[in-house]
Amino acid sequence: NAGVMQNPRHLVRRRGQEARLRCSPVKGHSHVYWYRQLPEEGLKFMVYLQKENIIDESGMPKERFSAEFPKEGPSILRIQQVVRGDSAAYFCASADSDTQYFGPGTRLTVL
Amino acid sequence: GQQLNQSPQSMFIQEGEDVSMNCTSSSIFNTWLWYKQDPGEGPVLLIALYKAGELTSNGRLTAQFGITRKDSFLNISASIPSDVGIYFCAGHGSSNTGKLIFGQGTTLQVKP
Repeated sequence: NAGVMQNPRHLVRRRGQEARLRCSPVKGHSHVYWYRQLPEEGLKFMVYLQKENIIDESGMPKERFSAEFPKEGPSILRIQQVVRGDSAAYFCASADSDTQYFGPGTRLTVL
Repeated sequence: GQQLNQSPQSMFIQEGEDVSMNCTSSSIFNTWLWYKQDPGEGPVLLIALYKAGELTSNGRLTAQFGITRKDSFLNISASIPSDVGIYFCAGHGSSNTGKLIFGQGTTLQVKP
């Protein structure tokens, strides 16, 4: 994973709860991408952030989902009022230029 | 939006055999990338292609960026059991924000 950290690795939530997924990029990288992977499918782009700015959120659902990448600390993907359809693996990728390095992912299960 | 069609969906081969998989698109891609994903892990970059016609090797892996910029293939020669996993093609399309578009994946199983 080239030094990209994600936690937790596994997260179980009941419907209606909030899920917070964290991503620490490679030291010195200022670009973070979030992707979602449903079982048996490829990764789907959600959002692209640079430090303190959302650059492209075209893949993010309009409601319940938000993302941030503060000046200090990890990037956070937040899902409010989770539903069963949110169950998936969420990956972040860290980049300094063209190459994206993926973290190990957070597997979210909504009961 | 832009899409990548990857085939085959799955392959079951004998150790030592060569493998070929490909990706096609109806629109132009500016880069082609090939990733491998092991169970429970994130994708790991295998090969990156940046120019139409480019042919690049990484050990037993060879990939090419199609001349039309609408396709790419990945070959694995002399497969070994640790080649097992899911292989994804991905590319940067028309967006200039760097987001990747992924194919659906090819699941490779290797019989010792």
